[in-house]
Amino acid sequence: KAGVTQTPRYLIKTRGQQVTLSCSPISGHRSVSWYQQTPGQGLQFLFEYFSETQRNKGNFPGRFSGRQFSNSRSEMNVSTLELGDSALYLCASSGGRTAGPYEQYFGPGTRLTVT
Amino acid sequence: AQKVTQAQTEISVVEKEDVTLDCVYETRDTTYYLFWYKQPPSGELVFLIRRNSFDEQNEISGRYSWNFQKSTSSFNFTITASQVVDSAVYFCALSEAVDTGRRALTFGSGTRLQVQP
Repeated sequence: KAGVTQTPRYLIKTRGQQVTLSCSPISGHRSVSWYQQTPGQGLQFLFEYFSETQRNKGNFPGRFSGRQFSNSRSEMNVSTLELGDSALYLCASSGGRTAGPYEQYFGPGTRLTVT
Repeated sequence: AQKVTQAQTEISVVEKEDVTLDCVYETRDTTYYLFWYKQPPSGELVFLIRRNSFDEQNEISGRYSWNFQKSTSSFNFTITASQVVDSAVYFCALSEAVDTGRRALTFGSGTRLQVQP
């Protein structure tokens, strides 16, 4: 089974620009979560999508948004980039809808550098 | 609020030594899940284990073992006879709102393990 894929793997943007990151979950998985990893703040939850609906959201400003398509692929968007947005953005997928979190399988991440 | 503490920032051992990574958590939930992930230099988080709050049985998988003690809110991870390939950052994580099926994880700050040959 193919794993979680994320594109692009590396990205360099300038302050004020916007960026869109993409994530394709494992086939059959319907939940996609996004995390930001920085040296200072560690791994932080951004949001989770299930069946094209945002089911949970972390404590991030509105510049961070996301969406999920009918094929479960997800995108996250960051508008008006700031230097502090430089981070590794990780996507995780998990399957099913029954109560209780199944293992989340992570992709390789997109490393975003804001200059 | 959920919190996961990994007090050991970095551990260095020599190959074949045993090493234990500590994890202490805080939660008001009565039902929750705990996880360990490994992050090698490539950056991808690799799932190692999931443990639910009702199951305090210790688990062993090859050279890996986990000790879950609800009384002390700890979920420690031991690598026996460490190998150079075990060098990575290890994260402990706690699930949120298990009964709603939500998937958000609260991560600890990670422990960097260096295994010297």
